[in-house]
Amino acid sequence: GAVVSQHPSRVICKSGTSVKIECRSLDFQATTMFWYRQFPKQSLMLMATSNEGSKATYEQGVEKDKFLINHASLTLSTLTVTSAHPEDSSFYICSARKPDSSYEQYFGPGTRLTVT
Amino acid sequence: AQRVTQPEKLLSVFKGAPVELKCNYSYSGSPELFWYVQYSRQRLQLLLRHISRESIKGFTADLNKGETSFHLKKPFAQEEDSAMYYCALYAGGTSYGKLTFGQGTILTVHP
Repeated sequence: GAVVSQHPSRVICKSGTSVKIECRSLDFQATTMFWYRQFPKQSLMLMATSNEGSKATYEQGVEKDKFLINHASLTLSTLTVTSAHPEDSSFYICSARKPDSSYEQYFGPGTRLTVT
Repeated sequence: AQRVTQPEKLLSVFKGAPVELKCNYSYSGSPELFWYVQYSRQRLQLLLRHISRESIKGFTADLNKGETSFHLKKPFAQEEDSAMYYCALYAGGTSYGKLTFGQGTILTVHP
């Protein structure tokens, strides 16, 4: 199997605070993880590509200082939304790629972030 | 840069009717294309990929390089097919497995 978990599943935070979201590959090692943002009934917007042991590669228009990504081990990547604002409220999804698969990504269940 | 277009945001059919979800792409190289599905309150999962030429849950998709399309088809839709469908393209090379997704199509199959 290839299971990816995310924690927390939903989080509410106050404007100006920071919140961390974890993405774990439970039964495989993931050299690459991806972070997406999904708006209601809309497409996935890739935010960044995270490679273990190196800096994340951010997509154009994504603020790297606001969305901090750390991929410290082969099974864990974290996304920290710093100084969150209501417009950051969204559904954040991570996915992971197995080293032996060039294309297939395994998705986490997502994290609903609400900033009040 | 590569691009994936799904022209229909919403698609409604009745049970038993044929369904076709359209996907067009632009990419200068040789792409690998996929369909992902997201059922209500579930995570995104791979439905099928063009390279394996398989049929999953009655769905098929053929890569047409001349028309740069990868439409998803099913001859007889079922209510349980109602979901969000995403077409995705893998560009290969140094993209670290990055997928480019289309905008998604919400399929509703009415009883």
